[in-house]
Amino acid sequence: GIQVEQSPPDLILQEGANSTLRCNFSDSVNNLQWFHQNPWGQLINLFYIPSGTKQNGRLSATTVATERYSLLYISSSQTTDSGVYFCAVHPGRETSGSRLTFGEGTQLTVNP
Amino acid sequence: DAGVTQSPTHLIKTRGQQVTLRCSPISGHKSVSWYQQVLGQGPQFIFQYYEKEERGRGNFPDRFSARQFPNYSSELNVNALLLGDSALYLCASSLVAQGGEQYFGPGTRLTVT
Repeated sequence: GIQVEQSPPDLILQEGANSTLRCNFSDSVNNLQWFHQNPWGQLINLFYIPSGTKQNGRLSATTVATERYSLLYISSSQTTDSGVYFCAVHPGRETSGSRLTFGEGTQLTVNP
Repeated sequence: DAGVTQSPTHLIKTRGQQVTLRCSPISGHKSVSWYQQVLGQGPQFIFQYYEKEERGRGNFPDRFSARQFPNYSSELNVNALLLGDSALYLCASSLVAQGGEQYFGPGTRLTVT
């Protein structure tokens, strides 16, 4: 099956700093999503971005499908950005269904 | 509009027992998927249902089963519980059967003792 690798596994920042999270995947995809998991376990949708670039406030994401990677940018980080960030993909080779394969996540800690 | 809802929030069961978890998708969404997330890992796909038909099954034993009802809500059943079934169970809904954006519920935290 498709492999999803996220880096770095852990990231510690001071409030106000910028960061880049990376997601590499091993095959073509027709769905790529970025999620933020809060301390209570809720997965919050950040971006649905199988290709291209999107921005939402301090967050932006870019997926280069031909090179099989996606980047999540967080600018001017805040303590509320802390948590685990997941990248999840649905392989393009699968012609039915919409199962997502998740990476292992990036644990982000933003200190005041 | 309400998001994806799941019940119960928390559950404690004993080894060997059976459990049923419930999920209601976002209004208008016909696809429901179930995921298991053990501590420290990303969620793992268990099942997908679309229009009451199974559209995908992950690598889980036959002790795990699911169904979808005419109103598109869904139940996940796990029989003969093992300690290793302790996890956060997440339900996701989407508009379409394939490739669409998925939205997750708050999860059910199952502890097996």
